[in-house]
Amino acid sequence: QKEVEQNSGPLSVPEGAIASLNCTYSDQGSQSFFWYRQYSGKSPELIMFIYSNGDKEDGRFTAQLNKASQYVSLLIRDSQPSDSATYLCAVNGFSGGYNKLIFGAGTRLAVHP
Amino acid sequence: KAGVTQTPRYLIKTRGQQVTLSCSPISGHRSVSWYQQTPGQGLQFLFEYFSETQRNKGNFPGRFSGRQFSNSRSEMNVSTLELGDSALYLCASSLDRELDTQYFGPGTRLTVL
Repeated sequence: QKEVEQNSGPLSVPEGAIASLNCTYSDQGSQSFFWYRQYSGKSPELIMFIYSNGDKEDGRFTAQLNKASQYVSLLIRDSQPSDSATYLCAVNGFSGGYNKLIFGAGTRLAVHP
Repeated sequence: KAGVTQTPRYLIKTRGQQVTLSCSPISGHRSVSWYQQTPGQGLQFLFEYFSETQRNKGNFPGRFSGRQFSNSRSEMNVSTLELGDSALYLCASSLDRELDTQYFGPGTRLTVL
């Protein structure tokens, strides 16, 4: 079982719709959770981080964390074609793992006009 | 604040050679982590440095090494290059707090021929 799992996609949504991206992780000791966006040929760009159970909103983005289910998600409201990218879920805080992010394989999102 | 910078941005080497990549963190950040990104394996953690000490290491062979200087700048070295080392090498910096948010540099694209 992979440590951090994501559906590779592509996830195709129409412009203006809500895109829902999901991620599960295996280590119950994980402390913090991150969503990065990566455009083709570019480096990952931080979108959001979340530490506590529940929802965290930032503009059109909402991160949701459920530690009991070991599940983290990212919702993108009013999706735009510029949101088309690969979204990487990353988990930190594995046992003894200072600043050691474990990444999922990423979900490719395609927003079509 | 200036972001994380990496040099060089592109590099072409041949098998058996060695290479050194450089990373300058965001001002005030003391932790530098290195990652390798390939299409097949995704983003994988190499190692993390804090106050000139390697604090954590991923599952890479000893050909991969790094160091950090007193000004927090970091270098990584790969000796005896193999074709499979062709990848995007990313450096990320964070403040000295455990589990802090990491910000990525633009990466160095290494091609081994």
